Amino acid sequence: GAGVSQSPSNKVTEKGKDVELRCDPISGHTALYWYRQSLGQGLEFLIYFQGNSAPDKSGLPSDRFSAERTGGSVSTLTIQRTQQEDSAVYLCASSRPPGQGHYGYTFGSGTRLTVV
Amino acid sequence: AQRVTQPEKLLSVFKGAPVELKCNYSYSGSPELFWYVQYSRQRLQLLLRHISRESIKGFTADLNKGETSFHLKKPFAQEEDSAMYYCALGGSNYKLTFGKGTLLTVNP
Repeated sequence: GAGVSQSPSNKVTEKGKDVELRCDPISGHTALYWYRQSLGQGLEFLIYFQGNSAPDKSGLPSDRFSAERTGGSVSTLTIQRTQQEDSAVYLCASSRPPGQGHYGYTFGSGTRLTVV
Repeated sequence: AQRVTQPEKLLSVFKGAPVELKCNYSYSGSPELFWYVQYSRQRLQLLLRHISRESIKGFTADLNKGETSFHLKKPFAQEEDSAMYYCALGGSNYKLTFGKGTLLTVNP
């Protein structure tokens, strides 16, 4: 597609429920990233996928968070047993393959998650 | 470890005044630095990158390896520059580390 697409744009869920957030990257971008944006905390790295390599999960805050990327394209971030501190904007970004220069990311518009 | 520090959470200037948003980084390798901007109700977007040595919307940023800084500057601020600005550091693993951001307000 023309840009990085994320869905849903807003999600309100009850504490303890599971949620799935979706990201559709730019076609041809082999790298995909998830970040969490919260007030005063900036952008917090969560997970990074690059081609068929094992993902870098070093930023996931707990084992309630997981992500997968199917077919090297669409990615789903899953948060199980949501807590109020999970409330934030979840951003997805994609970029060109390594070796083609580090051109920075293209971000989606984010999913605003509110846990009540 | 990669680290980016933006010391100012908030910065307020008057229209036409010079503006400088500070960014310092910590990285042992050869860094790639970026500035991203997020205008109200818009998505985060790339403003400029040090490797291009470009000027975008009147903004420039020079990488100073001696001071490990990549400050963003504009000689004459405009009201439409009001936004959240993030400095970001890219390492060899292509993962960007972001600062906490500076909210710039340009007053009329």
